[in-house]
Amino acid sequence: GAGVSQSPRYKVAKRGQDVALRCDPISGHVSLFWYQQALGQGPEFLTYFQNEAQLDKSGLPSDRFFAERPEGSVSTLKIQRTQQEDSAVYLCASSLETNTDTQYFGPGTRLTVL
Amino acid sequence: AQSVTQLDSHVSVSEGTPVLLRCNYSSSYSPSLFWYVQHPNKGLQLLLKYTSAATLVKGINGFEAEFKKSETSFHLTKPSAHMSDAAEYFCVVSGGGFQKLVFGTGTRLLVSP
Repeated sequence: GAGVSQSPRYKVAKRGQDVALRCDPISGHVSLFWYQQALGQGPEFLTYFQNEAQLDKSGLPSDRFFAERPEGSVSTLKIQRTQQEDSAVYLCASSLETNTDTQYFGPGTRLTVL
Repeated sequence: AQSVTQLDSHVSVSEGTPVLLRCNYSSSYSPSLFWYVQHPNKGLQLLLKYTSAATLVKGINGFEAEFKKSETSFHLTKPSAHMSDAAEYFCVVSGGGFQKLVFGTGTRLLVSP
């Protein structure tokens, strides 16, 4: 079946622009996670949704970062007034349930801020 | 708080020789531990996971890992490396109320002919 998809795969933004990154989880998956992976580093947690509820946003680096999942399926990560330090790969993952269920990752969106 | 330490940033092996990627963990909870692999320009793929069942966990592509609580280790092994194993490997821990994953810094496995 279809896995997690993300779009766009690559995004180049000028400093100060707003960007929106989309994640389509596996159909029926309750949990959705966003991670940020800087060059040469492991992914770091940003935020977590259970259905449409955002239960943890402790990893969002600043109030310029905003995520939503209004209908409990597709999610959008929005970054306002992008800065060069926002350049990274943004990964989305989904899992069927919570607790110990396996997370399935999308291919990521590589954001480059000039 | 949970954390993992991957002890080697790079590991080089010859094709057909054993692979050992080392990982130590720290967790306030009974941890779930994972190994993920990331090939260039591809998404993260789960190799195996430990969730307090058998301490020796078998994964895909001939990889396995052993959970050792006394040593707080979860090392990844494979008896015989293949060229296609060359990739970045991440040791990951989760725990607590939901499955927020905490990644190590990664080990790049290089396989030479």
